[in-house]
Amino acid sequence: EVQLVESGGGLVQPGGSLRLSCAASGFTFSSYEMNWVRQAPGKGLEWVSYISSSGSTIYYADSVKGRFTISRDNAKNSLYLQMNSLRAEDTAVYYCARDLRYSYGFDYWGQGTLVTVSS
Amino acid sequence: QSALTQPASVSGSPGQSITISCTGTSSDVGGYNYVSWYQQHPGKAPKLMIYEVSNRPSGVSNRFSGSKSGNTASLTISGLQAEDEADYYCSSYTSSSTLNYVFGTGTKVTVL
Repeated sequence: EVQLVESGGGLVQPGGSLRLSCAASGFTFSSYEMNWVRQAPGKGLEWVSYISSSGSTIYYADSVKGRFTISRDNAKNSLYLQMNSLRAEDTAVYYCARDLRYSYGFDYWGQGTLVTVSS
Repeated sequence: QSALTQPASVSGSPGQSITISCTGTSSDVGGYNYVSWYQQHPGKAPKLMIYEVSNRPSGVSNRFSGSKSGNTASLTISGLQAEDEADYYCSSYTSSSTLNYVFGTGTKVTVL
């Protein structure tokens, strides 16, 4: 059974940093591209970042470029999101989501981890 | 890059059919057959319902179907059931150099 479990969320002050993790199981992690998607309270979904299966190709949404860094450790079956210079508007539930193989879209999602940026 | 446009809400009675539209541009919906649809119940993670415009993942009811015409994609739910009440989001691959995916604004489906 495919499982994605996020962790690392919490309360952080504006300008602070946080590192999110996503532990994957039930599939060959190193064969899949992965993404982070977020959802602000009461709002819609927003794609945040993408990383290829090897980690060699990375994309970011304009709203986080230069502040967030996506990475992965295929030996540990884990995906990460390092978030720096956090702003109030980064407050959201952050989901890790697996990319469809040989296509585009998200076929499995984690349960999400809440990041709250507030003083 | 703007979000894809969806109606804020759609409602229907049990057994009826409803359709949710998702309008984008030639750089996303209209340019690629990579439109997907997600169902999200309150407090839960999104669930993939349709991918590549009209394909259903294993386990998704055949009451859900997708289509596309030009820059607008559509999700149809037939035989509406109480459990279909949820938020629905479309998404598309995009050729924008700074973005991989764009989501729709979301549609609240209410079963009357």
